[in-house]
Amino acid sequence: DTGVSQNPRHKITKRGQNVTFRCDPISEHNRLYWYRQTLGQGPEFLTYFQNEAQLEKSRLLSDRFSAERPKGSFSTLEIQRTEQGDSAMYLCASSSNQYYRSGANVLTFGAGSRLTVL
Amino acid sequence: DAKTTQPNSMESNEEEPVHLPCNHSTISGTDYIHWYRQLPSQGPEYVIHGLTSNVNNRMASLAIAEDRKSSTLILHRATLRDAAVYYCILRPLIQGAQKLVFGQGTRLTINP
Repeated sequence: DTGVSQNPRHKITKRGQNVTFRCDPISEHNRLYWYRQTLGQGPEFLTYFQNEAQLEKSRLLSDRFSAERPKGSFSTLEIQRTEQGDSAMYLCASSSNQYYRSGANVLTFGAGSRLTVL
Repeated sequence: DAKTTQPNSMESNEEEPVHLPCNHSTISGTDYIHWYRQLPSQGPEYVIHGLTSNVNNRMASLAIAEDRKSSTLILHRATLRDAAVYYCILRPLIQGAQKLVFGQGTRLTINP
């Protein structure tokens, strides 16, 4: 397993365009998370899936943002009508619930997809 | 979400030990202390976690105060590759609390 894979790594788009990012988690992980990170800040939580169910969404996830995980494997994050404020690194992470009671539930992050909105 | 406080930045020299502090005075009894780090141009990576006892792994050691209101991540012999932002995060062990809440972390600079 090569870890969490995110594509594309970089995306430059014009304001008003739609963009979609894809995340392929570690295959045996049933939990998948999306975060957003702007320069100099820590990652901010956006949303979380357990299998195909989206169980939590942040207030940061406006109605222009939608995330899906249709078969409980890969996930997509779509941003419609992009704005310059959407420019950020979008990070995906996955985890297994196997070690939940040990307090571990370690998240494995991908390298991120950097979005620049002109 | 329980809050942690870390220095914005720290500097150390290569091959010397580094002690990264974290204050979490509002920690509850079911909060685990997790540390992640983020190398330049990469996503965060797990370093270590603990509850009450000190913990060691191949990357680092975690020293937890007896009252659990603070902890220290120890890199025993820093290398240039340890230059990163280090995040101290409290993770509640309760149903539904799955996400990690990141602060701004400590930016560690290692001098050759």
